[in-house]
Amino acid sequence: DGGITQSPKYLFRKEGQNVTLSCEQNLNHDAMYWYRQDPGQGLRLIYYSQIVNDFQKGDIAEGYSVSREKKESFPLTVTSAQKNPTAFYLCASSTSGTLDVFQETQYFGPGTRLLVL
Amino acid sequence: GESVGLHLPTLSVQEGDNSIINCAYSNSASDYFIWYKQESGKGPQFIIDIRSNMDKRQGQRVTVLLNKTVKHLSLQIAATQPGDSAVYFCAEGLNNAGNMLTFGGGTRLMVKP
Repeated sequence: DGGITQSPKYLFRKEGQNVTLSCEQNLNHDAMYWYRQDPGQGLRLIYYSQIVNDFQKGDIAEGYSVSREKKESFPLTVTSAQKNPTAFYLCASSTSGTLDVFQETQYFGPGTRLLVL
Repeated sequence: GESVGLHLPTLSVQEGDNSIINCAYSNSASDYFIWYKQESGKGPQFIIDIRSNMDKRQGQRVTVLLNKTVKHLSLQIAATQPGDSAVYFCAEGLNNAGNMLTFGGGTRLMVKP
């Protein structure tokens, strides 16, 4: 089955701790994205990567870091500098394009909910 | 499951009726538009997309209409079913912006049996 997986489903962070959220895709997509979702708000872009070994800051990158060492993987680290990390985190990837679906369409994983202890 | 949005506009429809969900987008230069469906506690699911050179595109039980004059996008769902209950987001993007999308706040669709 092709798709995007995120783990864990729930993650708890202690004060001052860094935590890493996993995102893996086997769709052979070049581009991957991380979003944060808070209640009552739309998705906000944290980081994105158009190609392996390259990534760019999104609108709310402060307190987060990423890496893109493999095409399939785009882990997100929530650092202790992120003072309000409680949110639903979504990873997405972009298709290379087919007749029926435009290449700009992003496909999402199931999400990770991060909670602070 | 957790609530996607606590203060979202809500559309309530009877099972079997047609639903129309609206979205006002912000950038008149946007080249493409996407509708997503998000169930509580899950990631958004792609429904349908449309390019700016189209007025209408149809999928299975869904139709997207684009009115560029007033920057308005709508999603029509035919014969709405209980499984359609979810939050629906529109997104817009620019071809020269590297596949970046800007998301709307979402509308909650509630289907009454």
